[in-house]
Amino acid sequence: AQSVTQLDSQVPVFEEAPVELRCNYSSSVSVYLFWYVQYPNQGLQLLLKYLSGSTLVKGINGFEAEFNKSQTSFHLRKPSVHISDTAEYFCAVSGVQGAQKLVFGQGTRLTINP
Amino acid sequence: EAGVAQSPRYKIIEKRQSVAFWCNPISGHATLYWYQQILGQGPKLLIQFQNNGVVDDSQLPKDRFSAERLKGVDSTLKIQPAKLEDSAVYLCASSFSQGARETQYFGPGTRLLVL
Repeated sequence: AQSVTQLDSQVPVFEEAPVELRCNYSSSVSVYLFWYVQYPNQGLQLLLKYLSGSTLVKGINGFEAEFNKSQTSFHLRKPSVHISDTAEYFCAVSGVQGAQKLVFGQGTRLTINP
Repeated sequence: EAGVAQSPRYKIIEKRQSVAFWCNPISGHATLYWYQQILGQGPKLLIQFQNNGVVDDSQLPKDRFSAERLKGVDSTLKIQPAKLEDSAVYLCASSFSQGARETQYFGPGTRLLVL
């Protein structure tokens, strides 16, 4: 079974500042990793995913994440945030075999202050 | 392309009542998921369908929750009878196939409040 820990429940940053949202996972098998964003009163939208290959993954809206197998981490970063990035961010993991289900972390609320 | 549709968007019921949620996935998507998202937590998978067959319902409280996808397209999730702890957002998602690599597309959710 897999599990995900998002180390910060809330992250406040100023507009145009860089941000990092931390995610650690636990699994006894190889994994796929995902970051989803949830805007108020909306469903989740995929930001990016790591399946294989390059450990640096680029996603939508200027976000990127780096897969670190030795540290079992998949931290999300953006060099300069905008007010529109205010949302809840979820890290998720699944095993690579078959119809593995997504296991989500608790979420990190990103608040951008002007 | 139309996204995943869910209805109703909001529902308030009293405990011990029953409630049903409806989901219409993206056209052509064979796999459909129902998640429960309790306030302050990430979504938790309740049930996964591949066409009209159940792939995973290990976390579905079967004494009160049921779900069906009779024609392999839209789906209904039912709670009977509801408990206070069922207050949550119920998210439906779909994907083209059931592989773990597949992107899941989420609907806007149904927010349930049980009083």
